This record gives sequence, structure tokens and C-alpha cells, in this order.
Amino acid sequence: DVKVTQSSRYLVKRTGEKVFLECVQDMDHENMFWYRQDPGLGLRLIYFSYDVKMKEKGDIPEGYSVSREKKERFSLILESASTNQTSMYLCASSLSGTISGNTIYFGEGSWLTVV
Amino acid sequence: AQKITQTQPGMFVQEKEAVTLDCTYDTSDPSYGLFWYKQPSSGEMIFLIYQGSYDQQNATEGRYSLNFQKARKSANLVISASQLGDSAMYFCAMREGGQGGKLIFGQGTELSVKP
Repeated sequence: DVKVTQSSRYLVKRTGEKVFLECVQDMDHENMFWYRQDPGLGLRLIYFSYDVKMKEKGDIPEGYSVSREKKERFSLILESASTNQTSMYLCASSLSGTISGNTIYFGEGSWLTVV
Repeated sequence: AQKITQTQPGMFVQEKEAVTLDCTYDTSDPSYGLFWYKQPSSGEMIFLIYQGSYDQQNATEGRYSLNFQKARKSANLVISASQLGDSAMYFCAMREGGQGGKLIFGQGTELSVKP
């Protein structure tokens, strides 16, 4: 059974803390994505990666960084958490190459609260 | 620039009736894919249906069909015979060709099915 696993389902962190959100996929996918989801704004792309050690900024990269040292793992880092980063974070992965329908898989989401 | 637009923040439908959720998109890439996802209150993203830009026929998956009007750049989701379990957030998304194939989402439509 294919799987995208996000390390933490619920987190509460303090302002200024460094936060790591981990995502692991077991499908040997080239592409991995981090989104944040906020009411009324849908899912917004933070960063994505199409290969190991490769990363590209999405629409809202400010305040975030990412790391992809291994193909199966894509980490989202909040260097200094702020209250406006309280949100739900979703990781996804997909094959590269030809666009096709159901080859994009999502994790269950991580609910982050920054106090 | 916003590439996926869902203009209906919330919709109501009577059980057993059909409902159409609107989605318009913008891209200059001739190769792209359009997706619809369902997100229940649990947060998981459930893939519903896919339409490729070169597909000649509208996609159908059970009670879901996609009304693809390429010239108008619209990809509306039609749910027939609504069920109470269809109550959820629905997201339209687009994936362009090229490296990475990032998936861009609309703002979402919250569908409520009334008994």
C-alpha cells in the first residue's frame, strides 16, 4: 500500500522555535511538495523538489526552508516560528515525467499551532 | 497570479440531487492536467477525478464527472445523486508540464448535503 507519512499530526510550538516537519514516502517518487492550508485560501505551495538536493520555491516560501538529502524524505523547516505560521501543512509526492491522473499522493497533514 | 479559481466558497444541495462545483483555470502550457480532490473533516485528501488537456472526452468516475470546456478554461465537477457523505471541502487543482510538475490548488468549495 502506497504511503506518504508525515511525522507529526499535531504540534504546538513557541514563537521563535525552530520547527521541523518531516515527510517520508515509500513509492520512490521523484517529486515531493509542501503545502500549507488555510481557510478561504486553499492549499498554497511552499516549496517543492524534483530530485535529491534540488528544491524550488513555491508561491509562499518566506519564512520556510526545505531539505531533501534522500529521495524518500522531504523536510520543511521553520527557522523561527511565528504565530502567522499556525496552519495545516500537507506533504505530497508524485512521479515525474508524463502528467497523469492518480499518481499524486498526500500525507494526512500536520496541524501546527505557534503560541 | 491566481491560476485556479473556485468562486463558490460554500454550496448546499439536497440529498439525491445533482450539484456542480465551478472551477476555472489559466495556463499557457498546452500540456496540463486538472484534478478534483475531496477533503473531509478528517483532513485527508481524496483523489476524485482527472482530466488531461489532450483528452477528447470528459472524464467520469462513478457519480463524479468533469465538465471540461477547454476554450473557456473551465473544469467543473458534477456530482450526481448527492449523498450525505459527500459533505466536505472540494478542491480543484492543475498540474502543468515541465520539471517538477507542481500542483496548484484553488481556494476550495465547502459542500453541504442536506437530508
